[in-house]
Amino acid sequence: GAVVSQHPSWVICKSGTSVKIECRSLDFQATTMFWYRQFPKQSLMLMATSNEGSKATYEQGVEKDKFLINHASLTLSTLTVTSAHPEDSSFYICSARQGARTDTQYFGPGTRLTVL
Amino acid sequence: KQEVTQIPAALSVPEGENLVLNCSFTDSAIYNLQWFRQDPGKGLTSLLLIQSSQREQTSGRLNASLDKSSGRSTLYIAASQPGDSATYLCAASFSGGYNKLIFGAGTRLAVHP
Repeated sequence: GAVVSQHPSWVICKSGTSVKIECRSLDFQATTMFWYRQFPKQSLMLMATSNEGSKATYEQGVEKDKFLINHASLTLSTLTVTSAHPEDSSFYICSARQGARTDTQYFGPGTRLTVL
Repeated sequence: KQEVTQIPAALSVPEGENLVLNCSFTDSAIYNLQWFRQDPGKGLTSLLLIQSSQREQTSGRLNASLDKSSGRSTLYIAASQPGDSATYLCAASFSGGYNKLIFGAGTRLAVHP
């Protein structure tokens, strides 16, 4: 149980286009989902926290107008990278938490974004 | 500033060795600490979670300890195998910010036959 999927697993796009990444909890309801990005050989950095039905909370330095997060249901959160640029190329990983105060986050397999 | 540091950045060992991976954190008000495994180009697999009230957790050949006073955690891997080759990440959440996991940069482990 506790499986999180991401789609797509990889995407290549042209500079200036927008890309949407989906994160789904397959067998549980996720009250909270988290979005991370990871540059090569670096650690994961939390970008934002989203709670179902409310606006996402962004970490300092993350542009909310560039990285649009929607958590419309208890099983789906989406991250849209708007007007993507080559410096947005990264590995994006989502995680999901089942309850309000549970400790465990279940991580998705990640999405590799390459912006040409 | 709350930070998590991992040493060494990379480690190469022969099969069968027992090894220790280190993780240090700057804030003693830790809520919990987790160890994850990440295979190349993949997501994270949770290995062990230690609550602030605990000193260690064990799962199979893995043992993780937590020392809040010194700001350190160690992951001990017994009788290493080639299949253990991966990047190991530790992540801490701190009191007042339990939502947020702060990750170390990881230790890239290679176990050769």
